[in-house]
Amino acid sequence: GAGVSQSPRYKVAKRGQDVALRCDPISGHVSLFWYQQALGQGPEFLTYFQNEAQLDKSGLPSDRFFAERPEGSVSTLKIQRTQQEDSAVYLCASSQRAQGLTGELFFGEGSRLTVL
Amino acid sequence: TQLLEQSPQFLSIQEGENLTVYCNSSSVFSSLQWYRQEPGEGPVLLVTVVTGGEVKKLKRLTFQFGDARKDSSLHITAAQPGDTGLYLCADESGAGSYQLTFGKGTKLSVIP
Repeated sequence: GAGVSQSPRYKVAKRGQDVALRCDPISGHVSLFWYQQALGQGPEFLTYFQNEAQLDKSGLPSDRFFAERPEGSVSTLKIQRTQQEDSAVYLCASSQRAQGLTGELFFGEGSRLTVL
Repeated sequence: TQLLEQSPQFLSIQEGENLTVYCNSSSVFSSLQWYRQEPGEGPVLLVTVVTGGEVKKLKRLTFQFGDARKDSSLHITAAQPGDTGLYLCADESGAGSYQLTFGKGTKLSVIP
């Protein structure tokens, strides 16, 4: 597609449910990032993939968060046993650069997760 | 841990007015990026500045990077309703890092 596509756009989950958020990056983009944006805050880094390799997962807040990109294109962010503090917008971004960030990141529209 | 402070947090102005928003870092920037995020959308890159003292212009937007590379400003001339959004500054968190560190942003509303 022309841009980064994320689904679902909105997700309401009951506390304790598992959720899966999908990101379809721009075709051919090597790098893929997940960010979490809480209400009134700037985005915070969660994890980074270079092709299918997860090179940095230092931003994942707990072991309930898991991300994968098995074929180096589509990525899924999974949150197990959701808690209210997980409520946020989850942003996916991709870049054609393989190393570092001296280039443009293209963000998707985000998936807004609300945990009741 | 690098901290980026943006000010003001909120700004509401009339169409046609000028404004400046600021981004200050607790440490030297590796490279500074400015993004604009509209409601319900992801951030969109406006500009990247790397060199201390650098000035870049993008139509009615002027970006300045401090000589010491610890602060930056964004000036908008004759603001329009289409400028409404959240303005975010961001920095690479160090050589070889994949992480962007974002400020909390300045939420700008331009009233017609």
